Amino acid sequence: EAGVAQSPRYKIIEKRQSVAFWCNPISGHATLYWYQQILGQGPKLLIQFQNNGVVDDSQLPKDRFSAERLKGVDSTLKIQPAKLEDSAVYLCASSFGANTEAFFGQGTRLTVV
Amino acid sequence: GIQVEQSPPDLILQEGANSTLRCNFSDSVNNLQWFHQNPWGQLINLFYIPSGTKQNGRLSATTVATERYSLLYISSSQTTDSGVYFCAVVYSGGGADGLTFGKGTHLIIQP
Repeated sequence: EAGVAQSPRYKIIEKRQSVAFWCNPISGHATLYWYQQILGQGPKLLIQFQNNGVVDDSQLPKDRFSAERLKGVDSTLKIQPAKLEDSAVYLCASSFGANTEAFFGQGTRLTVV
Repeated sequence: GIQVEQSPPDLILQEGANSTLRCNFSDSVNNLQWFHQNPWGQLINLFYIPSGTKQNGRLSATTVATERYSLLYISSSQTTDSGVYFCAVVYSGGGADGLTFGKGTHLIIQP
């Protein structure tokens, strides 16, 4: 069974530029999550989707971050404009449903210079 | 929100040693997972264990939900066990089920 796929693996951008990350969850998983992991810390939830609807985006900085999951499968996370403090690893995860085991992709390492 | 505390923050052991990692959480949970983050940043699932005891090879885990803690046991450590171990929980009183992570235990196994 294929795991959670993310791209790109690495991205370097200048501050104030925009960037987008892509995630393809495990087949059949209705729930998709985006997490941000700053160096030395545990991952922090940004947004959770159930199919193509948002369940929780309370920790998403909505002035610069946006995410969508239009057809209930793939998802994109966008940052516009990027700040230096956005440098982090962005992890996508998926699970079959509520309160089931979550599986993570390899992440996208973003460096903002 | 729910608080997750992991101890110890750092642990250095010789190959072959046993270790116990602890995770305390501040409220009732529906879900608890243990992960190993390898040096390349990949989060590898170890256990999905909201309650009870599970074993997988040299690793085992126990969650006592009523007392709000979980333990991860690693026996006969190998250098490949090095990395950061995260405990993550889902608060049972919330509407969503995103994981809340602890700060992790950084484990170094020396040959």
